[in-house]
Amino acid sequence: DAGVIQSPRHEVTEMGQEVTLRCKPISGHNSLFWYRQTMMRGLELLIYFNNNVPIDDSGMPEDRFSAKMPNASFSTLKIQPSEPRDSAVYFCASSPDLGWTHNEQFFGPGTRLTVL
Amino acid sequence: AQSVSQHNHHVILSEAASLELGCNYSYGGTVNLFWYVQYPGQHLQLLLKYFSGDPLVKGIKGFEAEFIKSKFSFNLRKPSVQWSDTAEYFCAVKNTGNQFYFGTGTSLTVIP
Repeated sequence: DAGVIQSPRHEVTEMGQEVTLRCKPISGHNSLFWYRQTMMRGLELLIYFNNNVPIDDSGMPEDRFSAKMPNASFSTLKIQPSEPRDSAVYFCASSPDLGWTHNEQFFGPGTRLTVL
Repeated sequence: AQSVSQHNHHVILSEAASLELGCNYSYGGTVNLFWYVQYPGQHLQLLLKYFSGDPLVKGIKGFEAEFIKSKFSFNLRKPSVQWSDTAEYFCAVKNTGNQFYFGTGTSLTVIP
């Protein structure tokens, strides 16, 4: 099992540019989560999907952020336009389901985003 | 608002010292509880989890945690830490509404 795969691992971009982060969940997992980690705010849940449908996007900071999950094996998090305060490590996690059992989350390696 | 509190932001211990990291949550209903660890430069990994049953949960690498419902707590413990335990530790709670909440993390530094 390859685990959760994220790309790119590092991204450096200039303010105003569009950034797209990618995630491939573990095969067979029905739930996918996007988190942002910063020193100041810790680990924040941005959005999560169940069976490719967004369930809760209340953590998405503003309209510049959008996330999609076109199929069970792929999700994107897009920031347009990016700003320096978006610099953080973005983690993707997947979980077998949202049921009351087997709901441990498996995290990917993260994408370290730096916006200059 | 529901939240998870980790009171110790940074802990420094010598090897062989005992460890206890605090975690409190604010949610009155049934919860699932988790401790994750993030080693330097790596992603989060599950240390242990509580779903139901025995409130004392054993995890990997000698870690354990005790769920005390009356105190809304799920403290992490290890009797004797090693240098390799240097990492960031996150407590997380999942409520019956399928909402996950993570604490802000506790950075542990173990001095050889």
